[in-house]
Amino acid sequence: EFVLTQSPDTLSLSPGERATLSCRASQSVGSNYLGWYQQKLGQAPRLLIYGASTRATGVPDRFSGSGSGTDFTLTISRLEPEDFAVYYCQRYGASPYIFGQGTRLEIK
Amino acid sequence: QVHLVESGGGVVQPGTSLRLSCAASGFTFSTVGMHWVRQAPGKGLDWVAVISYDGNNKYYADSVKGRFTISRDNAKKMLFLQMNSLTTEDTAVYFCARWSPLLPLDYWGQGTLVTVSS
Repeated sequence: EFVLTQSPDTLSLSPGERATLSCRASQSVGSNYLGWYQQKLGQAPRLLIYGASTRATGVPDRFSGSGSGTDFTLTISRLEPEDFAVYYCQRYGASPYIFGQGTRLEIK
Repeated sequence: QVHLVESGGGVVQPGTSLRLSCAASGFTFSTVGMHWVRQAPGKGLDWVAVISYDGNNKYYADSVKGRFTISRDNAKKMLFLQMNSLTTEDTAVYFCARWSPLLPLDYWGQGTLVTVSS
């Protein structure tokens, strides 16, 4: 069974700090078909990163993705107030299109 | 611009059925796959089903296989999710989302709430 495990569950940081979110897969993610989403309360998810490291259209360059195989990272270089939200990773290359359980990024 | 609008949610009793719809506009619907994703209250994202651009390929999460059916009408730019034998575990906001080639889910609707309760 394919599983994506995100860590930490909750990350408490202040605006201006750097955030590092992890997503670990139980098996290799083929062709790096790994995406990251941001979801704010009451809203639909928003695509941030695809192909593990490519920013989606309109995503600020303070967001970056890296990794390959089974270990992936989303980094936010300098947190803005609007970045505090829940972040999910997803494998999208094959069924099932599993999501990680999410990391909540909260203001410290 | 891309617009996805879900409808059909509501309050239903366990064991009953419901059909969700997703109206698409602002892009060539017949050239992209489409997904349904759900989110139980206070929980994370849960992938439900996907359908290919032409409707010929469909895949489901194990939790809904045999109970839910995804379908589409390319002429009407509509996506559907037929949900049968509903249980309380199916209570969630259901999102439809676009799946462009080589991309993950790049556009999402705002969701429709399904509540299964006796």
